[in-house]
Amino acid sequence: EPEVTQTPSHQVTQMGQEVILRCVPISNHLYFYWYRQILGQKVEFLVSFYNNEISEKSEIFDDQFSVERPDGSNFTLKIRSTKLEDSAMYFCASRVWTGGATNEKLFFGSGTQLSVL
Amino acid sequence: AQKITQTQPGMFVQEKEAVTLDCTYDTSDPSYGLFWYKQPSSGEMIFLIYQGSYDQQNATEGRYSLNFQKARKSANLVISASQLGDSAMYFCAMRVLQGGSEKLVFGKGMKLTVNP
Repeated sequence: EPEVTQTPSHQVTQMGQEVILRCVPISNHLYFYWYRQILGQKVEFLVSFYNNEISEKSEIFDDQFSVERPDGSNFTLKIRSTKLEDSAMYFCASRVWTGGATNEKLFFGSGTQLSVL
Repeated sequence: AQKITQTQPGMFVQEKEAVTLDCTYDTSDPSYGLFWYKQPSSGEMIFLIYQGSYDQQNATEGRYSLNFQKARKSANLVISASQLGDSAMYFCAMRVLQGGSEKLVFGKGMKLTVNP
C-alpha cells in the first residue's frame, strides 16, 4: 500500500532554532495536512493545504509556522524559532479527492518526533 | 461545536475475546465522517475504519466493525477476536467541514491492552 513518508523520524533542536519537517505525500493525493500530538495528549490539527495554498489553519499555527510544497512531491512544515512547547510528534497526512465518495481515508505518515531543548 | 468524546482511559481484554471501544460525537453538520485510528507504541497512526454519516450500513474492515448509532451520536469500534498486536492507543476522529475546507477532530484516545 502507498505510504506517506516523513523525515527525519526524530529531530532535536535548541530553543530559538529553525526546523524544517519534511513529508512526501502519496503521489496522486491532492490534500495535505499537518497535525501534532504533544506527549500523552490528543492529536491536534495544525493546517490543511490544497492547490498550493493553505485551506485552513488552527490557532496553534501562528506566524512562527509555515508550510510549503516546493516541488511536486515534498510538503514541508517550517517552525521559524522553536519554543519548548513545540516539542511534539508532528504528523503529515494526505488524501485523494474522492468527489464525495464514502471512502475518505486519510493517510498519515509515521511522524517526526521534535524535541526542543 | 464539533467534539469527540472517548471516556474510557484504558481497557484490558483477553486474547481472542471481542472488545468495544466507545466514542460519542457532537456536531450540527448533517454530513460528517467518523474514523478510528490505531497508534501502537512506535507512534504511527494507522487507519482502521471509516463511517460516513449517510452510510446505511455499519462499516466493517476485517476484524474491525463500527457500531454506528446516529440518533445516539455514537460510533463505537468493535474488535473481534483480539490479538496481542491489538495492544495500542485507539483514537476516534470526526471529519468536520468549515468554510470549504475540512479537518479531523480527534478524541483523547484510549489505551487497549490485550492479555495472553
